[in-house]
Amino acid sequence: KNQVEQSPQSLIILEGKNCTLQCNYTVSPFSNLRWYKQDTGRGPVSLTIMTFSENTKSNGRYTATLDADTKQSSLHITASQLSDSASYICVVSVWGNKLVFGAGTILRVKS
Amino acid sequence: EPEVTQTPSHQVTQMGQEVILRCVPISNHLYFYWYRQILGQKVEFLVSFYNNEISEKSEIFDDQFSVERPDGSNFTLKIRSTKLEDSAMYFCASRLIGGEAFFGQGTRLTVV
Repeated sequence: KNQVEQSPQSLIILEGKNCTLQCNYTVSPFSNLRWYKQDTGRGPVSLTIMTFSENTKSNGRYTATLDADTKQSSLHITASQLSDSASYICVVSVWGNKLVFGAGTILRVKS
Repeated sequence: EPEVTQTPSHQVTQMGQEVILRCVPISNHLYFYWYRQILGQKVEFLVSFYNNEISEKSEIFDDQFSVERPDGSNFTLKIRSTKLEDSAMYFCASRLIGGEAFFGQGTRLTVV
């Protein structure tokens, strides 16, 4: 069964600190993995996309890693800001057109 | 920048009534999706649509749901007889083959 598991469920950090969110997946056949940021009451917005051959990709203060052997991905946020408070969702694309969503990690950055 | 637009942003309906949620996907996209997110829960897949037909649907997408692309630009989700448990945010998404899925801002459906 195609599944995406994320941890932690929620996280509170101080402004300026770094954090790392985890995503484990059992999806086959794997096409790619994306991290989305979802602000409360809004649609998810893509942060990064990782394909099978990519290990690391950065987008500003966001750095995603992918280990296709262990089927794990992480999203590292550097120097967090209050505006980073959101839900971060790992979405794995099955070859074809299906997207499998994780439950998300709710991040709260406080001053 | 092209975007997926959804209307209305908020819909309140009485239990048993029919609702139609509307989406305008990005114009050159080929795959269209509906997802829902019950408050505090994960995003759940409802249905995907390609080449003018449903390509995949989840067990949530039962006979009370239907989708249509009536005019080549709109993509609609109809819920025939709404139930209280249908209250959720409904997101439309579109993408090219193998491309990133772009999501609309969602329609908040409240069934009373």
